[in-house]
Amino acid sequence: GAVVSQHPSRVICKSGTSVKIECRSLDFQATTMFWYRQFPKQSLMLMATSNEGSKATYEQGVEKDKFLINHASLTLSTLTVTSAHPEDSSFYICSAPQPGQSPPEQYFGPGTRLTVT
Amino acid sequence: KNQVEQSPQSLIILEGKNCTLQCNYTVSPFSNLRWYKQDTGRGPVSLTIMTFSENTKSNGRYTATLDADTKQSSLHITASQLSDSASYICVVSPNTGTASKLTFGTGTRLQVTL
Repeated sequence: GAVVSQHPSRVICKSGTSVKIECRSLDFQATTMFWYRQFPKQSLMLMATSNEGSKATYEQGVEKDKFLINHASLTLSTLTVTSAHPEDSSFYICSAPQPGQSPPEQYFGPGTRLTVT
Repeated sequence: KNQVEQSPQSLIILEGKNCTLQCNYTVSPFSNLRWYKQDTGRGPVSLTIMTFSENTKSNGRYTATLDADTKQSSLHITASQLSDSASYICVVSPNTGTASKLTFGTGTRLQVTL
């Protein structure tokens, strides 16, 4: 099956710094990618929809200036957590729907564990 | 409000036994329903996708059913293995486009023991 990768898998940063997380579709092009956040023992919560070549669409309550999304190519979307705080510590997961299928299979990355100290 | 509810929240079964997980949804419009398996600390992996016209779909020891009239789905796991220990998430999509947002259930945490 198609593969979506994320980098890094784990990151620890100090409060006030910024962290960039990459999401790549390895064998298909994705004009749309999704970013999720998952807290322990909870389900995935959609943060934003990343659109190649245009601005991301953020869900209600998600600060677009804090969670910067860039989808500069058809295989790469990045999420930058700016001025991170301990409450931003979470498991961040991206997904990409594979085009050409109906309904499209949604492939998820392995996730990035962010810890802000 | 679009919702996906799953039951039970958690389940412990002995290796080799069967189990059935339930999913009720109120998402409208409805296009397709997916079951994912998520190991701890990993991203979800697709098990099945069913459109509104499909009643059942199998993937190895996993069999999903869908009743679009009652808006219910189930995931049946046969002859469970220790590696089946994971969270199982029911996900509903309102349409078939690639930009379609998914609505996630809260998941059922399954533990298979010896």
